[in-house]
Amino acid sequence: EVQLVESGGGLVQPGGSLRLSCTASGFTFSGYSMYWVRQAPGRGLEHVSGISSNGGSTYYANSVKGRFTISRDNSKNTLYLQMGSLRTEDMAVYYCTRRSQAEYYMDVWGRGTTVTVSS
Amino acid sequence: QPVLTQSSSASASLGSSVKLTCTLSSGHSSDIIAWHQQQPGKAPRYLMKVEGSGTYNKGSGVPDRFSGSSSGADRYLTISNLQSEDEADYYCETWDSKGIWVFGGGTKVTVL
Repeated sequence: EVQLVESGGGLVQPGGSLRLSCTASGFTFSGYSMYWVRQAPGRGLEHVSGISSNGGSTYYANSVKGRFTISRDNSKNTLYLQMGSLRTEDMAVYYCTRRSQAEYYMDVWGRGTTVTVSS
Repeated sequence: QPVLTQSSSASASLGSSVKLTCTLSSGHSSDIIAWHQQQPGKAPRYLMKVEGSGTYNKGSGVPDRFSGSSSGADRYLTISNLQSEDEADYYCETWDSKGIWVFGGGTKVTVL
């Protein structure tokens, strides 16, 4: 079964840092680009960051550029999102997603991990 | 970058059909989109991709009563024989050649 399991969410103060992880199983992780998508409370979906299959290319939304860093360890089937200088507007559920090999849409979603930014 | 426009809500009776629309912005009328379903309190789930030709390809396990179609800049998701579990938010997604991804604002479907 194809599965993505996120971890690392929690409560952090404004200006703080947090690292999210996503462990993949049921498919060849190293063959896929991977992304993080977030959803603020009561809001819609927003692509946050993405990374190519070999880690050589990355994507960041303007809202997180310079503050977040995406990375991956193909030997551990794990995707990471290092989040820094966190703001209240970063508070959201963060979903790990797999990008389709054929096209550019997200074809597998994790269950999400919640990030709360509050003093 | 592309913009996707969706109606905020739609409703239909149990067992009937509902057709959701996702409209691509100018200059992107031939683009492919994907539909995702998000049931209350759950993570989104990929449903299908829909091409400008109207061809659609569903994800694994998506029931036959879900179908896609297209007309001009509009991409559609039709749910036939509406069930209670279809009550959810539905988002469309697309991307452009510069590596920008966008979601529509989502349509909340209510089963009456």
